[in-house]
Amino acid sequence: DTEVTQTPKHLVMGMTNKKSLKCEQHMGHRAMYWYKQKAKKPPELMFVYSYEKLSINESVPSRFSPECPNSSLLNLHLHALQPEDSALYLCASSLEGLAGVTYNEQFFGPGTRLTVL
Amino acid sequence: GQSLEQPSEVTAVEGAIVQINCTYQTSGFYGLSWYQQHDGGAPTFLSYNALDGLEETGRFSSFLSRSDSYGYLLLQELQMKDSASYFCAVSPNAGNNRKLIWGLGTSLAVNP
Repeated sequence: DTEVTQTPKHLVMGMTNKKSLKCEQHMGHRAMYWYKQKAKKPPELMFVYSYEKLSINESVPSRFSPECPNSSLLNLHLHALQPEDSALYLCASSLEGLAGVTYNEQFFGPGTRLTVL
Repeated sequence: GQSLEQPSEVTAVEGAIVQINCTYQTSGFYGLSWYQQHDGGAPTFLSYNALDGLEETGRFSSFLSRSDSYGYLLLQELQMKDSASYFCAVSPNAGNNRKLIWGLGTSLAVNP
């Protein structure tokens, strides 16, 4: 299985809602990522988990809360979002060596297209 | 600052060869990756170069010159399905750093 899956595919939410995005991979990858992508722009890194521990937080507002319940799952909890948070949210994973060595191929899921009203 | 430069748009015809260049200025450099993204789709890894020279994978090749801080993606025998955005991305550090620095992307249009 060389696939990263994400649910839901589309999400429309109001500014007072709480929702969660889910990501799953069964490739044995121990690094998992959340990216935000606006139209015609490159992916923008939000969070990185390594061995289920938060490794990088790119100064993301607290209305985005990541969670890594186990080595296969990654969640992004959303609360009190703003209309400017509307974007494609991509999950990715990659191999990770025990000494912190990373492998350069990142496998991306299809993304969740989020609209905040 | 850290920056990658690549052309914003390239147009070519089916069967042709196209080269997408990427120059980078980063505080560290470990390797250069290329990703393809179709409209509405997810980025897909194409290639990675850590050492100088040419890496070939089927119709696609990628080149790196570390001394020139320059790389390119070469697409041969272009097909309509190659119409997509192509991003170069630098890994600035070896080891414990998973943050890629991305170029702004090149939109490739392949015409009949």
